[in-house]
Amino acid sequence: GQQVMQIPQYQHVQEGEDFTTYCNSSTTLSNIQWYKQRPGGHPVFLIQLVKSGEVKKQKRLTFQFGEAKKNSSLHITATQTTDVGTYFCAANDYKLSFGAGTTVTVRA
Amino acid sequence: EAGVTQFPSHSVIEKGQTVTLRCDPISGHDNLYWYRRVMGKEIKFLLHFVKESKQDESGMPNNRFLAERTGGTYSTLKVQPAELEDSGVYFCASSHGLTNEKLFFGSGTQLSVL
Repeated sequence: GQQVMQIPQYQHVQEGEDFTTYCNSSTTLSNIQWYKQRPGGHPVFLIQLVKSGEVKKQKRLTFQFGEAKKNSSLHITATQTTDVGTYFCAANDYKLSFGAGTTVTVRA
Repeated sequence: EAGVTQFPSHSVIEKGQTVTLRCDPISGHDNLYWYRRVMGKEIKFLLHFVKESKQDESGMPNNRFLAERTGGTYSTLKVQPAELEDSGVYFCASSHGLTNEKLFFGSGTQLSVL
């Protein structure tokens, strides 16, 4: 299956600040999914990106798929305490291959 | 609509013992997946059922792991005998029809092998 690398592994953010987490693959991806796992919870689907260069927004979250379909990013603006958790990207070939996630903590 | 349910939520066993995890997918979901996450690492694919058939079991670590989905409904994952490195959170996920449309995850089983 696909191998995806996520950076950073940990992100400690001041409330109100912006941050970006990145997902990189050495091979071209057919599409990519993003999930969020709250502390003590389970992964919950956020979005799927399919097209080269695609950008999708969900309120303060902006997801982007690279032109070469080898990387993706999640940008969160004006971070809130509700944003804490681990964000996973998942590369989609015939099965989903998850990255190790970016664990986000927020200081008020 | 009920979500994916997993039982037990936690299991603490000793090395060499047997543990069976259960997953009830969302009703009508043909695809059922088992994943495992060791703390700080990726969510690692174990296997994929389509209805009662094993579509892909390439992620199963070794023959100590046995998964079944009799009748294409709920699934069990048995570890026998358990080893220390089997510890982690075992997630089950299901999806409706198309392979790799979005997955609905259960709350997971935290397995600790001592």
